[in-house]
Amino acid sequence: DTEVTQTPKHLVMGMTNKKSLKCEQHMGHRAMYWYKQKAKKPPELMFVYSYEKLSINESVPSRFSPECPNSSLLNLHLHALQPEDSALYLCASSQVDRGSNQPQHFGDGTRLSIL
Amino acid sequence: GEDVEQSLFLSVREGDSSVINCTYTDSSSTYLYWYKQEPGAGLQLLTYIFSNMDMKQDQRLTVLLNKKDKHLSLRIADTQTGDSAIYFCAESPMNSGYSTLTFGKGTMLLVSP
Repeated sequence: DTEVTQTPKHLVMGMTNKKSLKCEQHMGHRAMYWYKQKAKKPPELMFVYSYEKLSINESVPSRFSPECPNSSLLNLHLHALQPEDSALYLCASSQVDRGSNQPQHFGDGTRLSIL
Repeated sequence: GEDVEQSLFLSVREGDSSVINCTYTDSSSTYLYWYKQEPGAGLQLLTYIFSNMDMKQDQRLTVLLNKKDKHLSLRIADTQTGDSAIYFCAESPMNSGYSTLTFGKGTMLLVSP
């Protein structure tokens, strides 16, 4: 069982729809991450939030809009997506420790299909 | 720059040992991770090692690190069919705060009965 919970598990949407992916963790982690993973490929980092502030945006198109309303929640708002955006979207979280790196813990992902 | 390389496929018989290899290029102090991904699931953290360590053992898993050659291996003893999955090696440079991961392409482990 994962301690990072993602909803929904599956999402099918049209290119004109607006939807949101949600991620929740209760481990007290203050860094949260969004990744995109295509089939048979490693995850690609999209965004990093540290202490609820956006720290990294890996040149992600504006049709993906992240939001971190509090330390336990991370959302990814989707609008006007393209078929090539179909992928597994993974959320992860980690402690923030200036003395060492802390491992990232992943959720099971949301499988997104764009029609 | 950072680069992580892995062999793409490994096939073993149940009960044998599996060894998955990884090489990395970052010369700074770094953490090295092994993640497991089963079909349709997220990434499960298996184990990790800091680059000043040579070895780490956790039940059936043994991680060996050759710092000179920047070579990392994951040995799974008594491999079971439930170990069939994709295994990702990942590197994260030592920095202040959160971690950023550079993943290898993943090694698909197939365990046959």
